[in-house]
Amino acid sequence: GAVVSQHPSRVICKSGTSVKIECRSLDFQATTMFWYRQFPKQSLMLMATSNEGSKATYEQGVEKDKFLINHASLTLSTLTVTSAHPEDSSFYICSVRDRGREKLFFGSGTQLSVL
Amino acid sequence: GDSVTQMEGPVTLSEEAFLTINCTYTATGYPSLFWYVQYPGEGLQLLLKATKADDKGSNKGFEATYRKETTSFHLEKGSVQVSDSAVYFCALISGYSTLTFGKGTMLLVSP
Repeated sequence: GAVVSQHPSRVICKSGTSVKIECRSLDFQATTMFWYRQFPKQSLMLMATSNEGSKATYEQGVEKDKFLINHASLTLSTLTVTSAHPEDSSFYICSVRDRGREKLFFGSGTQLSVL
Repeated sequence: GDSVTQMEGPVTLSEEAFLTINCTYTATGYPSLFWYVQYPGEGLQLLLKATKADDKGSNKGFEATYRKETTSFHLEKGSVQVSDSAVYFCALISGYSTLTFGKGTMLLVSP
């Protein structure tokens, strides 16, 4: 069964609204979670790395005030796209690292469409 | 910086056809190389990996050989099945331990 649960799988929202995407580790404690974004026909790009209990580390060019990441527990990380605009329309996918096995597991992704 | 280039999709094949999905990379040092697969509605899953030059990763009939001289890690399968229809991502890790992905290649296999 799934090791990582990501919701929602698809969301359509109006410009200016905020959207929250959840990533849950189902089988193990995830000290580190990663958020990726993929624009159409582009590579899957790392946005940020979040460590439980501390602030996320954002990659260059990613606005931390726009993409709020909260990793409040060892099983849940959330990505909130604030004041979404059409250019934020993209495929977002989370990844979690199993602390015990140093393996990576991925969610099924979220397709965000901003009208 | 590191980068991964893989062939544009979709790749459309008939069942039992031979599959090649090309992947080349640019990286500092000696990266580890991976192929991930995403079946419809599911998360990315590790398909195979190779950690040093000339290593061959294999799983579920898929193979890829780490070619340092050509900086390539092409994915191959001798006889594809309809159930292999998915999106395949080539990726690497070097030094800074986060994955660098390619764009993904969609494979569509028809009966």
